[in-house]
Amino acid sequence: DGGITQSPKYLFRKEGQNVTLSCEQNLNHDAMYWYRQDPGQGLRLIYYSQIVNDFQKGDIAEGYSVSREKKESFPLTVTSAQKNPTAFYLCASSIADRVYGYTFGSGTRLTVV
Amino acid sequence: GESVGLHLPTLSVQEGDNSIINCAYSNSASDYFIWYKQESGKGPQFIIDIRSNMDKRQGQRVTVLLNKTVKHLSLQIAATQPGDSAVYFCAENGQFSTGRRALTFGSGTRLQVQP
Repeated sequence: DGGITQSPKYLFRKEGQNVTLSCEQNLNHDAMYWYRQDPGQGLRLIYYSQIVNDFQKGDIAEGYSVSREKKESFPLTVTSAQKNPTAFYLCASSIADRVYGYTFGSGTRLTVV
Repeated sequence: GESVGLHLPTLSVQEGDNSIINCAYSNSASDYFIWYKQESGKGPQFIIDIRSNMDKRQGQRVTVLLNKTVKHLSLQIAATQPGDSAVYFCAENGQFSTGRRALTFGSGTRLQVQP
């Protein structure tokens, strides 16, 4: 079955460390997205990519980095520059040239310890 | 900046009643709207969408109404069931017109279904 997979489901980071969240999709979608969700709040856009080897900053890109070397993969690195990284991170994908909704992954919960 | 928001953060209904979840948007360029359902600890799931050339669209037990005049969107759930308990988000594509091809999400409404 086609879908979008995020791993790990739970991740713990020590202060000062970089961590990378994985997002893989086999839907043949061109576009992929990363959103951050804080408790009781909506989704805020971190980065998105419409095509391989290209990506754009969202509203809260500071302290995060991404790469899009393959169509199927869009990993997110939370760097030590992100001062408040504890949150639920959601990856999504969509058909880029159509105005359709997203398919979301199941999320990664990141906690700073 | 322009945003998508919801009027009620928490809605409590009795099982079997109808639920109405509201959403206000401010971007006049928005022409595509989506409702998502998110259960605790999971990713959002698509419920129903509507384009701006429609006022109403029906799915299975769900109906979305769009009032472009007042920039208001609502999700109606008929005969609400315990499994409908979740957080509901609306999303819109208003930023596409500025080149940002990503959806904007509201802050969500929690629906609690009482047995």
